[in-house]
Amino acid sequence: AQSVSQHNHHVILSEAASLELGCNYSYGGTVNLFWYVQYPGQHLQLLLKYFSGDPLVKGIKGFEAEFIKSKFSFNLRKPSVQWSDTAEYFCAVRGDSNYQLIWGAGTKLIIKP
Amino acid sequence: EAGVTQFPSHSVIEKGQTVTLRCDPISGHDNLYWYRRVMGKEIKFLLHFVKESKQDESGMPNNRFLAERTGGTYSTLKVQPAELEDSGVYFCASSQGGREYFGPGTRLTVT
Repeated sequence: AQSVSQHNHHVILSEAASLELGCNYSYGGTVNLFWYVQYPGQHLQLLLKYFSGDPLVKGIKGFEAEFIKSKFSFNLRKPSVQWSDTAEYFCAVRGDSNYQLIWGAGTKLIIKP
Repeated sequence: EAGVTQFPSHSVIEKGQTVTLRCDPISGHDNLYWYRRVMGKEIKFLLHFVKESKQDESGMPNNRFLAERTGGTYSTLKVQPAELEDSGVYFCASSQGGREYFGPGTRLTVT
């Protein structure tokens, strides 16, 4: 069965710390990979996506993610977080043969000012 | 360009009652999705419309849930009768060209 695993449910960091949120997926074919973010009181919005090509993808607000096919991973990184990065982050996968997104459980990130 | 909208934003109903959630996608988007997040769990796919047709309803939990998309525009999701385990946040998304845009969600509480 397809699944997505996010390693941490809660992460607390101080401003300027580096961030890495883990995401592993289980799927037997070609995948599209996504990171979404939900800021407090706002809609889910796309941070970045990987469909093909360069496995290091850059998204909005200084975030990037690296697709490592051999590890079935798509970890999200940011070199220096800000208080405004406080949000819940979701990793999601879509197989190339269907439309539905398979989601991880989400990681709540709190940045201490 | 207006985004995806959902109504109501919150709904509190008693077990056994009926609730209808509405989603208005971005104009021109053929694909419309419903997802649900039960508290503390991952977001789960419910179903996918292409225009007015149900493309995939494999995620619908049971026959108490009925989704429609009138004329390929807005969509409704009716829960009848509601049960306690139906509580959660119901998200709608629309897409054209492979990227989904999400609405703010409807928080449903069944007491």
